[in-house]
Amino acid sequence: GDSVTQMEGPVTLSEEACLTINCTYTATGYPSLFWYVQYPGEGLQLLLKATKADDKGSNKGFEATYRKETTSFHLEKGSVQVSDSAVYFCALSLMEYGNKLVFGAGTILRVKS
Amino acid sequence: DTAVSQTPKYLVTQMGNDKSIKCEQNLGHDTMYWYKQDSKKFLKIMFSYNNKELIINETVPNRFSPKSPDKAHLNLHINSLELGDSAVYFCASSQLAGGLYEQYFGPGTRLTVT
Repeated sequence: GDSVTQMEGPVTLSEEACLTINCTYTATGYPSLFWYVQYPGEGLQLLLKATKADDKGSNKGFEATYRKETTSFHLEKGSVQVSDSAVYFCALSLMEYGNKLVFGAGTILRVKS
Repeated sequence: DTAVSQTPKYLVTQMGNDKSIKCEQNLGHDTMYWYKQDSKKFLKIMFSYNNKELIINETVPNRFSPKSPDKAHLNLHINSLELGDSAVYFCASSQLAGGLYEQYFGPGTRLTVT
């Protein structure tokens, strides 16, 4: 079945450090890929997306590139801030399955000042 | 303006009770979803409606019944609540017609069954 695997956390970084959260997927079709972020006590917000191979999604300094050959969609940021502390979810969706989102387990990011 | 709203935000109830959670979206989307987030933060789809028609019905106990009175609303009714139903339930919406794949989430309803 379709699945998403992302690196386990928590990931603890100092402010201004570089961030990479690995995400790989398995899908029967050609999925769209997403990163969602959940701040403490809040709902999920779409961070970025990519709908086809080699697309790069970017938002708020975060980037991820859709790599079909390695079935990956790693999240990167060059310089994290304390306000980036949250849970990050990698997800895929397939239109042939009603566009349901299949999520990874989530990665907790803690940024220290 | 709130795009996807849910009520209530918190729900504490006893085992065996019946409860409902309501969801409304003002984005004009044609598709709505219910997801469950367990205590380990894992998120899983439960149901989806497209133009009031059920299109996704994952392996969910029959005690859970979604209802979509119109495109802007999707409610979740739960009968005979059990301890294992304690979770955060998220509503989401998207516009499938036109291929807008991203889903927009509500703030969640934290259900605690005692």
